[in-house]
Amino acid sequence: EDQVTQSPEALRLQEGESSSLNCSYTVSGLRGLFWYRQDPGKGPEFLFTLYSAGEEKEKERLKATLTKKESFLHITAPKPEDSATYLCAVQADGAGSYQLTFGKGTKLSVIP
Amino acid sequence: ETGVTQSPTHLIKTRGQQVTLRCSSQSGHNTVSWYQQALGQGPQFIFQYYREEENGRGNFPPRFSGLQFPNYSSELNVNALELDDSALYLCASSLEVADTQYFGPGTRLTVL
Repeated sequence: EDQVTQSPEALRLQEGESSSLNCSYTVSGLRGLFWYRQDPGKGPEFLFTLYSAGEEKEKERLKATLTKKESFLHITAPKPEDSATYLCAVQADGAGSYQLTFGKGTKLSVIP
Repeated sequence: ETGVTQSPTHLIKTRGQQVTLRCSSQSGHNTVSWYQQALGQGPQFIFQYYREEENGRGNFPPRFSGLQFPNYSSELNVNALELDDSALYLCASSLEVADTQYFGPGTRLTVL
């Protein structure tokens, strides 16, 4: 059974204080690892897809990296508008439906 | 380009009733997936529809059923509502089965 564990559950940062969010996963065969951002009461917003170990992707203050067992979402000099819940999900290869298995998320609060 | 839309935004039902939630996929997307997100949890996969056929199902009972129409819009039906069905219901569309899933804003269902 595919599993995703995210840590920490919650993170409070001062504006400008860089940090990283962790996503550990077990999956029979990884097709892709996805990062989404979710604001309260809204649907997840797609950020990145990573397909193979060593791959990195960047978007503004966010950088996602992938190893064979985990992914990190690095946040550089965060701003209050980066406050949200960040969700990690894996998609197994050959699963037929290619469903996403999500972690519980990390709730990020950036204090001005 | 119009993104994924869902209706209604909010819904209140009583235990034992039936509910239908609707989703319009992003233009050109032929695959729709439905997820249930309880408060404080990550989304859980319900089922996926590809070209009007069910293409995979998560660990949900048969009272959760769905449809996909020729224009690739979709419905989620839940019969005999239970209190635990209270959640945010998310629809996601993708270009093809294994492609990145883009989420709609969700429907908040409250069962009293």
